[in-house]
Amino acid sequence: EAQVTQNPRYLITVTGKKLTVTCSQNMNHEYMSWYRQDPGLGLRQIYYSMNVEVTDKGDVPEGYKVSRKEKRNFPLILESPSPNQTSLYFCASMTSGSPGELFFGEGSRLTVL
Amino acid sequence: AQTVTQSQPEMSVQEAETVTLSCTYDTSESDYYLFWYKQPPSRQMILVIRQEAYKQQNATENRFSVNFQKAAKSFSLKISDSQLGDAAMYFCAYRSGSNDYKLSFGAGTTVTVRA
Repeated sequence: EAQVTQNPRYLITVTGKKLTVTCSQNMNHEYMSWYRQDPGLGLRQIYYSMNVEVTDKGDVPEGYKVSRKEKRNFPLILESPSPNQTSLYFCASMTSGSPGELFFGEGSRLTVL
Repeated sequence: AQTVTQSQPEMSVQEAETVTLSCTYDTSESDYYLFWYKQPPSRQMILVIRQEAYKQQNATENRFSVNFQKAAKSFSLKISDSQLGDAAMYFCAYRSGSNDYKLSFGAGTTVTVRA
């Protein structure tokens, strides 16, 4: 089954404790991205990757890091989480070409105390 | 970043009735794509319908249809014969037609379906 898998689905952590949200897709998509969803703001792009070893900032990259060492994996790293990073996070991958279809993971609810 | 505006935070509809969700966007491009995504309480993001800007014909998917007004930069979603399973948050999204894979999303509209 074609899917994007994120882990963990839920996480409560404390300020400053480094954490990683993993993302893996099995569709051989070159493009992957991370979004955060906040009430009243919709989904905003954090980082994206056009291919292995190619990553770039989205609209809200501050406080986040990513890496793309393999085509299938695109982890999101919060080096020193802060309460304003409490949010719902989505990983997504997209088919090539236009208009393309964005496949989303199931979301990761992160709470930073 | 492109601006996508959904002016209705919440909408309520009676079961079997029709509801229309509004979406406007700001762009200087002529080639782009528009999408509506549904997010039920499960949080899963589900593609409902998409429209290519170069197509004049409005897209339709079963009970879901759009009214695409390119000059007005408007892209509304109509849900006909509303069902309880349609209750969800709906997001409008824009994608440039250039080699840019990013989607810009609106703030979302929560649809409640009354039995």
